[in-house]
Amino acid sequence: DAGVIQSPRHEVTEMGQEVTLRCKPISGHDYLFWYRQTMMRGLELLIYFNNNVPIDDSGMPEDRFSAKMPNASFSTLKIQPSEPRDSAVYFCASSTLAGGRDTQYFGPGTRLTVL
Amino acid sequence: GQNIDQPTEMTATEGAIVQINCTYQTSGFNGLFWYQQHAGEAPTFLSYNVLDGLEEKGSFSSFISRSKGYSYLLLKELQMKDSASYLCAVRLYNNNDMRFGAGTRLTVKP
Repeated sequence: DAGVIQSPRHEVTEMGQEVTLRCKPISGHDYLFWYRQTMMRGLELLIYFNNNVPIDDSGMPEDRFSAKMPNASFSTLKIQPSEPRDSAVYFCASSTLAGGRDTQYFGPGTRLTVL
Repeated sequence: GQNIDQPTEMTATEGAIVQINCTYQTSGFNGLFWYQQHAGEAPTFLSYNVLDGLEEKGSFSSFISRSKGYSYLLLKELQMKDSASYLCAVRLYNNNDMRFGAGTRLTVKP
């Protein structure tokens, strides 16, 4: 299995621009998570989906952030408009409850820099 | 809110044993996870505890006391490659919602 795939790996943009981050979960996993990691705040859960349905988006910082999961193999996290304080590494992770331990597997992350 | 506390940094010597502690106060508990994260990389799964006691996995062990809201990760025979951040995470409920501590950055010195 290729693992969780994220694109782009690096994104540099200017304040005010729209940013779209993409994630392909591990095939067969029915949970998908979006996290943000910064030095100051550590790893924060933004939103997670179960069977393509958003379950908890209480971690989404503002209305500027939105996430979608149109099908079981693809999700996007969009920031519009972006701000310098959005600079962070954004991780996507997937898991399944089947098998008992439901370990989350993380993608390589997208390092976002907003100038 | 959910509180998951770990020491920020630790230093140990190659070949030694180190214990990384984690205390938690959360609205729910359905398992505690330890992840390892090397600089610039994604977190990778190390261990999982849901019942009280010690789980041994070769070069490391993980312990949990649910009544005390306490866990530790024990790393044995440290190697330089064990220098990384170690993240404690609590799954809150039965739906895979997981919250992470800030992580402990471990430096292994020769």
